[in-house]
Amino acid sequence: AQSVTQLDSQVPVFEEAPVELRCNYSSSVSVYLFWYVQYPNQGLQLLLKYLSGSTLVKGINGFEAEFNKSQTSFHLRKPSVHISDTAEYFCAVIQDTGNQFYFGTGTSLTVIP
Amino acid sequence: DGGITQSPKYLFRKEGQNVTLSCEQNLNHDAMYWYRQDPGQGLRLIYYSQIVNDFQKGDIAEGYSVSREKKESFPLTVTSAQKNPTAFYLCASRYSGAPPRGTDTQYFGPGTRLTVL
Repeated sequence: AQSVTQLDSQVPVFEEAPVELRCNYSSSVSVYLFWYVQYPNQGLQLLLKYLSGSTLVKGINGFEAEFNKSQTSFHLRKPSVHISDTAEYFCAVIQDTGNQFYFGTGTSLTVIP
Repeated sequence: DGGITQSPKYLFRKEGQNVTLSCEQNLNHDAMYWYRQDPGQGLRLIYYSQIVNDFQKGDIAEGYSVSREKKESFPLTVTSAQKNPTAFYLCASRYSGAPPRGTDTQYFGPGTRLTVL
């Protein structure tokens, strides 16, 4: 089974500063990787995904993530955050031949004005 | 509009009562999922279904039951056997057919917040 680790449970950052949310996974087989965002009392919305090809993936709202197979990481970055980026962010993985997704415990991003 | 709907948004239940949460999708997705979300614990899989009339237990299936009589619908029943049912419940679906695999994404409903009084 896979597992996903989001090392930072809370990340405060000032508005317009850069941010990186870390995600590491454990798997001995090929996987697909996802980042989702959740606003309070809402469902999850897909930010970006890595299936294959270029290891640098661009998503919505100016976010991007880089897949690093050797370090089994898929860190999420944004060069300049906005107040509206305040939310919970989840990393998820699924084996390329699997049916079950595995989620990290989430990172709460708070953007400070 | 295509999407996933969950109802109700807020649900209150007395201890000892069963309650059913609704999940409907019109995305023509094959697979549907139920997750439970608690603060600091992320999403935990309760049940999932790949096709009609078939479903599998997830990591925390005890005290829950599901049915999949139609492709569009995957209701979740929280039974009185679930000792701590107060949580936020999320339904999701995805296309799990043949490649291209660009449709591996799970799409989520808006969630139902269940509170046991």
